[in-house]
Amino acid sequence: KAGVTQTPRYLIKTRGQQVTLSCSPISGHRSVSWYQQTPGQGLQFLFEYFSETQRNKGNFPGRFSGRQFSNSRSEMNVSTLELGDSALYLCASSISPGQSVTALHFGNGTRLTVT
Amino acid sequence: DAKTTQPPSMDCAEGRAANLPCNHSTISGNEYVYWYRQIHSQGPQYIIHGLKNNETNEMASLIITEDRKSSTLILPHATLRDTAVYYCIVRVVGVGKLIFGQGTELSVKP
Repeated sequence: KAGVTQTPRYLIKTRGQQVTLSCSPISGHRSVSWYQQTPGQGLQFLFEYFSETQRNKGNFPGRFSGRQFSNSRSEMNVSTLELGDSALYLCASSISPGQSVTALHFGNGTRLTVT
Repeated sequence: DAKTTQPPSMDCAEGRAANLPCNHSTISGNEYVYWYRQIHSQGPQYIIHGLKNNETNEMASLIITEDRKSSTLILPHATLRDTAVYYCIVRVVGVGKLIFGQGTELSVKP
C-alpha cells in the first residue's frame, strides 16, 4: 500500500507570493492533518480535516489555510509568504479521528524556502 | 505546550538495547502514549502506542508505569539506522492533533 504522498518535495518562493502544497493520504484514510516543522519551533500542528471539514486548527495566522476534497486528498495554502514561513510542511493521514485508536502516518514533507 | 518531557540526547552502542525515557506526569485517563521517530529529512514514523499495559511490536517495546506518569521505549538491539529523534506524545482518542515536544536525539554508535 502506498504511503502518504506530498508534492512537490521542494519549493522555492519569493516573499509576498502564495503557495499551494498537496497531500494524498494512504488509500482508505479519510483524515488528514498538516504540521509545520522549523528548527526553532519544532513540529507544530496546523489543521486537521475529516470528510472535507476542518476539525481542528492550530495557532497560525489566517494566511495559512487548507481544504480537503471528496477523495480525501488535501491541499494547504499559504498566502503573502514571509521569510519565517520557510519550513518543512508535513502531512499525516489516519483512517479517521473517531473512536478507534489509530496512528497518524506521515509523508516526507514539502521543503518550502522563502527568499 | 507539550505534555511530555524527554532528555534532549542519548547515546547507545550498536547491538545494545536503547531505553528512551519519557515523563508525562499530567496524563489524563483517556490519553494514550504514542512514540514516533524522525530520521533526518523524513517525516515522523509511528513506532508504538499504549494506554496502560506494556506493548510490544516488531519495532520496539513500550513500558508504561503503573501510575502512567512515565514510560520507556525500548529498542532491543539498536542499529545505526535507529539513529533519529524520538518523540513521546500523549494523545486523546478521537483527536487527530499531536503535540510534539523537542524529543530525544538518539545516536547509535558502532
